[in-house]
Amino acid sequence: NAGVTQTPKFRVLKTGQSMTLLCAQDMNHEYMYWYRQDPGMGLRLIHYSVGEGTTAKGEVPDGYNVSRLKKQNFLLGLESAAPSQTSVYFCASSLSERGVETQYFGPGTRLLVL
Amino acid sequence: KQEVTQIPAALSVPEGENLVLNCSFTDSAIYNLQWFRQDPGKGLTSLLLIQSSQREQTSGRLNASLDKSSGRSTLYIAASQPGDSATYLCALSGNQFYFGTGTSLTVIP
Repeated sequence: NAGVTQTPKFRVLKTGQSMTLLCAQDMNHEYMYWYRQDPGMGLRLIHYSVGEGTTAKGEVPDGYNVSRLKKQNFLLGLESAAPSQTSVYFCASSLSERGVETQYFGPGTRLLVL
Repeated sequence: KQEVTQIPAALSVPEGENLVLNCSFTDSAIYNLQWFRQDPGKGLTSLLLIQSSQREQTSGRLNASLDKSSGRSTLYIAASQPGDSATYLCALSGNQFYFGTGTSLTVIP
């Protein structure tokens, strides 16, 4: 049971380049999330998904797109990277039992946009 | 919008000391409160989860409390150890998760 995995672990992009971050979970969780973590700002929700084929915007969705074609995968895309998107990106999935939702996090992807 | 604040931002204590980390929030309409630990360069690991109807949870040397009326939660760590050194974040779940900025804890041997 690998839990939540993220690919790649680290990436350097030039302004205007595009890339896709992959999140995979093997726990059969319905909900999945993408966050970014910046110094002094905590984790901020970018997009989330409540099930296969569904996505929704979070607090800071601009400049990002997501897809959830398979239940176990949640992809985060940057179409035209900007230096402001330099951050650490975390994926999470969650299990809801009797109204209690617990989040499980991946190890993070460090992205540097030059 | 839910605002979550954690004070202090950094804390350094000698080994063996008991300590309290604070988390305050502005909107009491929450479902649950969760405390996480984050090691440098790593993801978040869940420590304790307090349901909205509960007042505290305990796991080993950790005890977390929740007071919705005052908008506060505390994480109590007993007999701190160097291995407790990490950043501790609280998160509130309402219609989505809201995270604090964390307290960076250093336990000095």
